[in-house]
Amino acid sequence: KNEVEQSPQNLTAQEGEFITINCSYSVGISALHWLQQHPGGGIVSLFMLSSGKKKHGRLIATINIQEKHSSLHITASHPRDSAVYICAGLNTDKLIFGTGTRLQVFP
Amino acid sequence: DSGVTQTPKHLITATGQRVTLRCSPRSGDLSVYWYQQSLDQGLQFLIQYYNGEERAKGNILERFSAQQFPDLHSELNLSSLELGDSALYFCASSLTGFQPQHFGDGTRLSIL
Repeated sequence: KNEVEQSPQNLTAQEGEFITINCSYSVGISALHWLQQHPGGGIVSLFMLSSGKKKHGRLIATINIQEKHSSLHITASHPRDSAVYICAGLNTDKLIFGTGTRLQVFP
Repeated sequence: DSGVTQTPKHLITATGQRVTLRCSPRSGDLSVYWYQQSLDQGLQFLIQYYNGEERAKGNILERFSAQQFPDLHSELNLSSLELGDSALYFCASSLTGFQPQHFGDGTRLSIL
């Protein structure tokens, strides 16, 4: 069992739909990162959070420390949101990565 | 543009060879991280340096080594290369260990 697990592995949506990607972890972490990897391979850090909720544009990330669970929400999804979304837990200076969620948004 | 520069972008070499990947962190960042992304293993943390000193080590093979220089750029050395070392190698940087990380575009290493 992976220490950081994501679901779903693959997700397709129509433009405009509300999207949720889930991340659960079984190890102690001091923070959780959400990353976006585009088809070209580049990785962008979306959020780093250790409690509560953060919002940036149409993206919202939440974390529940007690339940060891985080969610990434995308409101009003757009085809340009198509990418792989990866969560990663920070465990004593090391990032432990989930396997990623491949999102495709169709017009 | 993340401000993190990795060179080269692509590298093709043969088994048994040695290569050096280079990373220039974002201006002001003291921490540099190296990651490997292969098709079967996903993203894996290799090693972290902070202001020239090794800070944390992950799943880094003994054939691999890294260092961070006084100007804060870092190099990842891969030796005795095997087919399984073919992967995307990312460098990231942050001000400290508890800040968001900024990723370079990666070096795609292909072993023939």
